[in-house]
Amino acid sequence: EAGVTQFPSHSVIEKGQTVTLRCDPISGHDNLYWYRRVMGKEIKFLLHFVKESKQDESGMPNNRFLAERTGGTYSTLKVQPAELEDSGVYFCASSQGQTGTISSGANVLTFGAGSRLTVL
Amino acid sequence: RKEVEQDPGPFNVPEGATVAFNCTYSNSASQSFFWYRQDCRKEPKLLMSVYSSGNEDGRFTAQLNRASQYISLLIRDSKLSDSATYLCVVILNTGNQFYFGTGTSLTVIP
Repeated sequence: EAGVTQFPSHSVIEKGQTVTLRCDPISGHDNLYWYRRVMGKEIKFLLHFVKESKQDESGMPNNRFLAERTGGTYSTLKVQPAELEDSGVYFCASSQGQTGTISSGANVLTFGAGSRLTVL
Repeated sequence: RKEVEQDPGPFNVPEGATVAFNCTYSNSASQSFFWYRQDCRKEPKLLMSVYSSGNEDGRFTAQLNRASQYISLLIRDSKLSDSATYLCVVILNTGNQFYFGTGTSLTVIP
């Protein structure tokens, strides 16, 4: 079974430029999450899709960040214009469903390898 | 106040040692608890879920203390390959948002 894949693995851009990160979740996983880890900090939630709908976008830092999941399959996260403080590793994760007990595995998050963003 | 707090370490232990990590969570409505492992420059991977009754997986034992709002991870007979960052993860009962601790760094020394 293919895991969560993310592209690009590393992107280096200049301040003010635009970057689009892509995530392909595990097939059949309705839940897709974006997280970010900046240097020395904990992994922080950005937003959560259930299929194509944004379930929770309370973690999005500001309106320079735009996430989409058209058709409920892959998702993109666009940063426009990028700022220095946007540098970090952006992780995508997917899970099977919201409901279910721990033993069912429904709540288990499977992460992608991350997209490292460096803004110069 | 952070939802999840962990001692960042680092913990440097010799091979064969037993090491324990604690993690506290602030919201008593927290519902599900996990330990994830993250190797350097890699993605987090599920190590084990934490059940109310406590659970064991080989050399790893996880415990949950709801009264004191903390979870623990015990690693026995440490191996060099256990060197990693261990992340405590908590889900609240509202929505499906996962909260991560900063992670505890473990280095097992030969």
